[in-house]
Amino acid sequence: AQRVTQPEKLLSVFKGAPVELKCNYSYSGSPELFWYVQYSRQRLQLLLRHISRESIKGFTADLNKGETSFHLKKPFAQEEDSAMYYCALSGGTGRRALTFGSGTRLQVQP
Amino acid sequence: DTGVSQDPRHKITKRGQNVTFRCDPISEHNRLYWYRQTLGQGPEFLTYFQNEAQLEKSRLLSDRFSAERPKGSFSTLEIQRTEQGDSAMYLCASSLDGGYTFGSGTRLTVV
Repeated sequence: AQRVTQPEKLLSVFKGAPVELKCNYSYSGSPELFWYVQYSRQRLQLLLRHISRESIKGFTADLNKGETSFHLKKPFAQEEDSAMYYCALSGGTGRRALTFGSGTRLQVQP
Repeated sequence: DTGVSQDPRHKITKRGQNVTFRCDPISEHNRLYWYRQTLGQGPEFLTYFQNEAQLEKSRLLSDRFSAERPKGSFSTLEIQRTEQGDSAMYLCASSLDGGYTFGSGTRLTVV
């Protein structure tokens, strides 16, 4: 079975502070990991996909297979980063459906 | 707008009534997914289609739920004899190469 755990429901930081949103997963094969973001009153949007190794809006995430983690990081938080962040896993099987974590709300205070 | 469209945005229904939601995916996407999201949780997989074929249904999808994608384009999700526990946001997503695009969702409230 595949599972995604986001241990923090809420992360509150001040503007300019570093941010790390934690994500741990369990999956027996080679997963594909994603971060999705949902800003207030907007739809879920793809933020990062581990296979693309891109940096989007200053966010990065590295897949650590040894620790089964895919933590999302940003060195300097901005107020516009305040949103709900979901980590998700695709098992790479035929259906490629996503398994989501329960999400972490990031609040960046001025 | 060439994104994923869902209709209606909101639906309030009385317990026991049937409801149907529609999803129009991105036209060139062959895979279409339905998810359900309740308060405080991430989206949960319900079912998916590759073209017109429904290839998998989650155990969350009880017999009261049925989904179709008749011509491999738009999809409908029907819930029969709605229960209060069906109240949730129903999300549709489409995909071509593993990159998923989500719709805005249909929020169902069963009273």
